[in-house]
Formats: sequence, structure tokens, C-alpha cells
Amino acid sequence: QVQLQESGPGLVKPSQSLSLTCSVSGGSISSASYHWSWIRQPAGKGLEWIGRIHANGRTNYNPSLKSRVSISVDTSKNQFSLNLGSVTAADMAVYYCARWGGNDQGYYFDYWGQGTLVTVSP
Amino acid sequence: QPVLTQPPSVSGAPGQRVTISCTGTSSNIGANYDVHWYQQIPGTAPKLLVFGDNYRPSGVPDRFSGSKSGTSASLAIRGLRAEDDADYYCQSYDSSRGGLVVVFGGGTRLTVL
Repeated sequence: QVQLQESGPGLVKPSQSLSLTCSVSGGSISSASYHWSWIRQPAGKGLEWIGRIHANGRTNYNPSLKSRVSISVDTSKNQFSLNLGSVTAADMAVYYCARWGGNDQGYYFDYWGQGTLVTVSP
Repeated sequence: QPVLTQPPSVSGAPGQRVTISCTGTSSNIGANYDVHWYQQIPGTAPKLLVFGDNYRPSGVPDRFSGSKSGTSASLAIRGLRAEDDADYYCQSYDSSRGGLVVVFGGGTRLTVL
């Protein structure tokens, strides 16, 4: 059973960078069949896709965040990471990591981490 | 504003059938991109409910079904149960901003009366 676990600071100051790591267990992050994504959810609001990475390093970002986002992968540790720069109060959210995989019926998020709350405050 | 439009809330009594709509445009659902549905119980992570428009992952009851037509998709839940009380999100892809972007609906709160 694949499991994902987010980790990182729960409090970030405005204008600083937010850094989170997702640790994957029960499966290899190097599998060619999957991409690894970050998704966030502000309190009381809907889901917003941030971006994804493949083990080969290829990334794809949400255009609305692209100028501030970087996602990287460390296959030796079976982890991938999110860096979001110049944060503001609008970046306060629960951040989820998720596996993006699929088949002939499309690609979808089949495994999710439990989520981690990031607060932006001085 | 979410790219995909869902009703903010729906409700139904136990045993009834409800549907949740997901409306898009010609650059997402109307472009025949797959639609997936997720269930989120408050305080927990979303869970995949339906993929590829109308397929269910192992373990998801056949009370849940999806459909798609034109620029819209729907999730139907029959035989409502108390444990269906949750938020539901549709997800697809959009090609209007260069490349293929994952997009979600704004979510629908289902209340089982």
C-alpha cells in the first residue's frame, strides 16, 4: 500500500519561502508510471493544483503559481519537495502531496498524503 | 474562481438519489478530457471516487456512478447513506492557458438529511 507523508514548517513569515517535503513509502518514486503532485486547499475552500514532477525531473506547474513554484525530486530518499517563494496570507492552506497515475481511463490522483497546514504570519 | 463549476450544496434523505453536476467549457470537459471525482470527509484528505468519467476504484460501492456529456459531467449517488455526508470535487484538465493544467471544481457539500 502506497503511503505519502508531508513534512515541513507549519509557520512561514510573509515574503519568505515555504518548503515542504513528501516522503513516499510502499512504492518507488522512480516508477515511470507515475508523477508526483502538490495540491493545496485554503480553509473552507476548494482544491488547487500546484504542480507535478516525474522521477526523470520533468515538471509541470499551474500557470497561476509558476513564477513562484519549484518542485524537485530526490529518488535516493524516495521524496519530492515543494518550494513556494514570496508567500502571502493567500498561500495559507492545507498542502497535500499526491500520486498522479492512471491507465487508458485517464490520469488521476489515486493516493494522497494526510495534508499539512501551513500558516503565513509574522 | 474554479475553472469547473459545481453547485455549492445538495442534500437528500437516506435512501434517495442525488446528482452533482460539474460544468466546464470547450477547453476542458468539452475537449473530451477525462473527468474524475473525489470525496472528502471534512478534516481528511480527498479520496478517489470515480475515474475516467465513469469507472470506480476497487472498494468504491456501485451506488456511485459518473457520466459525461458535452461540456458537463455528473456524479450520481443512489441509496444515500449517512456516511456519504461529505464534500465532492470534480477534476479534469484545461488547455486554455498553454499546456495541460489540472483543474478542479469548487466542490459540492452533500448533506444527508
